[in-house]
Amino acid sequence: EDQVTQSPEALRLQEGESSSLNCSYTVSGLRGLFWYRQDPGKGPEFLFTLYSAGEEKEKERLKATLTKKESFLHITAPKPEDSATYLCAVQGSSNTGKLIFGQGTTLQVKP
Amino acid sequence: NAGVTQTPKFQVLKTGQSMTLQCAQDMNHNSMYWYRQDPGMGLRLIYYSASEGTTDKGEVPNGYNVSRLNKREFSLRLESAAPSQTSVYFCASSETVGRPQHFGDGTRLSIL
Repeated sequence: EDQVTQSPEALRLQEGESSSLNCSYTVSGLRGLFWYRQDPGKGPEFLFTLYSAGEEKEKERLKATLTKKESFLHITAPKPEDSATYLCAVQGSSNTGKLIFGQGTTLQVKP
Repeated sequence: NAGVTQTPKFQVLKTGQSMTLQCAQDMNHNSMYWYRQDPGMGLRLIYYSASEGTTDKGEVPNGYNVSRLNKREFSLRLESAAPSQTSVYFCASSETVGRPQHFGDGTRLSIL
C-alpha cells in the first residue's frame, strides 16, 4: 500500500533560520512526488514535481530534493510569509490518477 | 485567472438532506478530482475523472456520486448527508493524469 509520512508535524523557526522538512514514502513504482503549500482557508498551491532520485527543483527560498525513499523541502533564510502548511504527495504506478497525500508540516516563521 | 472555482464556499445541512457541490475549471484540463480534507487525516481522494466521459472511485467514495458534466465541470453529490461527511471539500484539475493538480479554495460543509 502506498504511504506518505511527513515530519515534523509542526516547525517553528526564527526569520532567517534555515531548516528542512521531510517526506518519507513507500510506493510501488514512483511516477511523481509533488510538493504543495497550503495557507489557512485556501486550497493547496502547487510548488514542485520530482520524478526520479537525484532530481532537485528550486523556487526562491525553497529547494526540493528526492531520493528513493524520501524527499526534503529545504527552506533557506525563511521569511514570515513562508509560514504555511507544506504537503507532500506521491503517485505510484499502481494508482494511476490518484495522489496519496501526507498529513503535512505546519511551518511558522517568526520575525 | 480564475483557475478552479468551487461553489458554494460554505454550507450547513441537516442529516438526510442532499446537495451538490459544483466545480468548474477554465484551464482546458482533461482530468478533474474531488478530495476531502479532515484534521489528522490529510487529503483523501473521493472520485476522479481522467477525461470527459469517465469517472473512477478514489479512496473514500462511499456516500458520494459524481458527474463530469462537460470538460470544464465536475460535480459532487451527497444523496443523504451524514455527520461523518462534515469536512472541507476540494476540487482539483490537471492537464492529464499524473501532471500537477491545481486546487480550488474549497467548500466547507457542516452536517448537523
